Amino acid sequence: GAVVSQHPSWVICKSGTSVKIECRSLDFQATTMFWYRQFPKQSLMLMATSNEGSKATYEQGVEKDKFLINHASLTLSTLTVTSAHPEDSSFYICSATDRGGNTDTQYFGPGTRLTVL
Amino acid sequence: AQSVTQPDIHITVSEGASLELRCNYSYGATPYLFWYVQSPGQGLQLLLKYFSGDTLVQGIKGFEAEFKRSQSSFNLRKPSVHWSDAAEYFCAVGARGGGNKLTFGTGTQLKVEL
Repeated sequence: GAVVSQHPSWVICKSGTSVKIECRSLDFQATTMFWYRQFPKQSLMLMATSNEGSKATYEQGVEKDKFLINHASLTLSTLTVTSAHPEDSSFYICSATDRGGNTDTQYFGPGTRLTVL
Repeated sequence: AQSVTQPDIHITVSEGASLELRCNYSYGATPYLFWYVQSPGQGLQLLLKYFSGDTLVQGIKGFEAEFKRSQSSFNLRKPSVHWSDAAEYFCAVGARGGGNKLTFGTGTQLKVEL
């Protein structure tokens, strides 16, 4: 149980284009979904927290207009990197908490590798 | 604000040897504590967690961790390491009532020698 998927697993795009990453909770309804960014050989940095039907809460220093988060349902959140640039290349990981279980435990997706050329 | 320190960036152990990965946290009260493991290019898998009660917590894959309030530590242990345990290990702390936000340590890369 508590499986989180991400799509795509990797994406390569040209500078200036936008990329959408999906995060789905497959066997549970997610109270909250989180988006993290991880640079090579570094830890996870929380970008934003989203609740279904509400605006996302962004961490300090994260541009909300660049990283658009939509949490349209209890099982789906999307992160759109707008006008991507090479410095946006990174590993993006989402996580979710189970509405029907212990909401203090986050279950992580497998991550999406974004490369901007 | 909460913080997590993992003092060891890299650790190498022989297969079959015991393992201890260190984690120290800073938090004003009793936190929620987690250990996650990440294989290359993958997401994070929850190994174990501590919320309250017994300070020795058993997890998956034969791992355990002990919460020591006096030392602000939550070290991860395994009595006998397998080659498949080679991965990156992250300790994380969550604030009670803090909106489920987690703060991660910088991770410890475990290498297992055959």
